[in-house]
Amino acid sequence: QKEVEQDPGPLSVPEGAIVSLNCTYSNSAFQYFMWYRQYSRKGPELLMYTYSSGNKEDGRFTAQVDKSSKYISLFIRDSQPSDSATYLCATIDNNDMRFGAGTRLTVKP
Amino acid sequence: ETGVTQSPTHLIKTRGQQVTLRCSSQSGHNTVSWYQQALGQGPQFIFQYYREEENGRGNFPPRFSGLQFPNYSSELNVNALELDDSALYLCASSWDGSNYGYTFGSGTRLTVV
Repeated sequence: QKEVEQDPGPLSVPEGAIVSLNCTYSNSAFQYFMWYRQYSRKGPELLMYTYSSGNKEDGRFTAQVDKSSKYISLFIRDSQPSDSATYLCATIDNNDMRFGAGTRLTVKP
Repeated sequence: ETGVTQSPTHLIKTRGQQVTLRCSSQSGHNTVSWYQQALGQGPQFIFQYYREEENGRGNFPPRFSGLQFPNYSSELNVNALELDDSALYLCASSWDGSNYGYTFGSGTRLTVV
């Protein structure tokens, strides 16, 4: 079992839709959780990070961690074509950042 | 200079050869990590350097090695290249290994033929 599991998609939505991206993780000791966005031919760019359980909101983006179920979510409201990218969830274990496989999102105008 | 820069952007090598990839960390960042990202996969941790010392290593064989220099630039060296080494190699820098302060470069696309 991989430590961080993520549905690779692809996911295609119309502009303005609410997008829900999800990951599960296996190790209950993980405390820090991140979401990265990666455009084609670019490196990952940090979008959101959370510590332990709870929600964090930044503009149209909300990150949610449920430690009881080992579930990580990213919600994108009012999605835009510029949100089209691959979204990677990640956690950290002893300097080793563990990534999910990434979900490829396309937002159609 | 801001941001993380990597060179070269693309590289083609033959199986069995050796390759050196380079990374210039974001100004002020003393920690650098290297990742391998195969097509359609998330990045896999290779190793991390902190103040010129290796500070953690992922599940990669010894033919993957690295260096960090006093100016915080770094190198990833891969010996005896195999076809499966074909991937995007990413460098990420941070200050004191901050858990969420990593800045990634755009990567080097390595193709082994």
